[in-house]
Amino acid sequence: DQQVKQNSPSLSVQEGRISILNCDYTNSMFDYFLWYKKYPAEGPTFLISISSIKDKNEDGRFTVFLNKSAKHLSLHIVPSQPGDSAVYFCAASGFGGATNKLIFGTGTLLAVQP
Amino acid sequence: DSGVTQTPKHLITATGQRVTLRCSPRSGDLSVYWYQQSLDQGLQFLIQYYNGEERAKGNILERFSAQQFPDLHSELNLSSLELGDSALYFCASSGQGLVQETQYFGPGTRLLVL
Repeated sequence: DQQVKQNSPSLSVQEGRISILNCDYTNSMFDYFLWYKKYPAEGPTFLISISSIKDKNEDGRFTVFLNKSAKHLSLHIVPSQPGDSAVYFCAASGFGGATNKLIFGTGTLLAVQP
Repeated sequence: DSGVTQTPKHLITATGQRVTLRCSPRSGDLSVYWYQQSLDQGLQFLIQYYNGEERAKGNILERFSAQQFPDLHSELNLSSLELGDSALYFCASSGQGLVQETQYFGPGTRLLVL
């Protein structure tokens, strides 16, 4: 049972435009969400996170939006740059405080075209 | 550089063998997590340690075991290896292992079982 879903395996965007990556979750116990970027042959790199008490968090070119009622979050990258080309993973945690383990989506491969 | 180190980077071994993967967390972090990324699955949580004690277990096979030592480094032991154990194994660390803490990932160990 996939509790965190990224339904788009890939996304192609022109340099300078907005990239929107989406993520859906099913477990209402999740209260903390993170986005990681991963290049081939490297570990995931933390990008940005959001607590369930917020609906938006911004860090430079990256903004994460959370819609709790829809159990949906999205990552906006503006403007997109060729160096943003990577696999983006959405992750969730929060199991009533018992553990901080992360449940990951399957990833979206973003290609930013120059 | 996340500050999390993993050795070795690559490991090639045969079925039935046993290997040990090593992880050193970021300075000051007390909690260590192990994840497996195989081709047909996303990143899957295996196990979490906090200050030497096991805190949470995920989809970890009985053939696999882990421990965290007094100096906080951790080892993941994989035994009776099968072809299907070929995967990327990532270690992550966070401060206290509490909810809403960001996990920082190491570069991973790529295991190939022939």
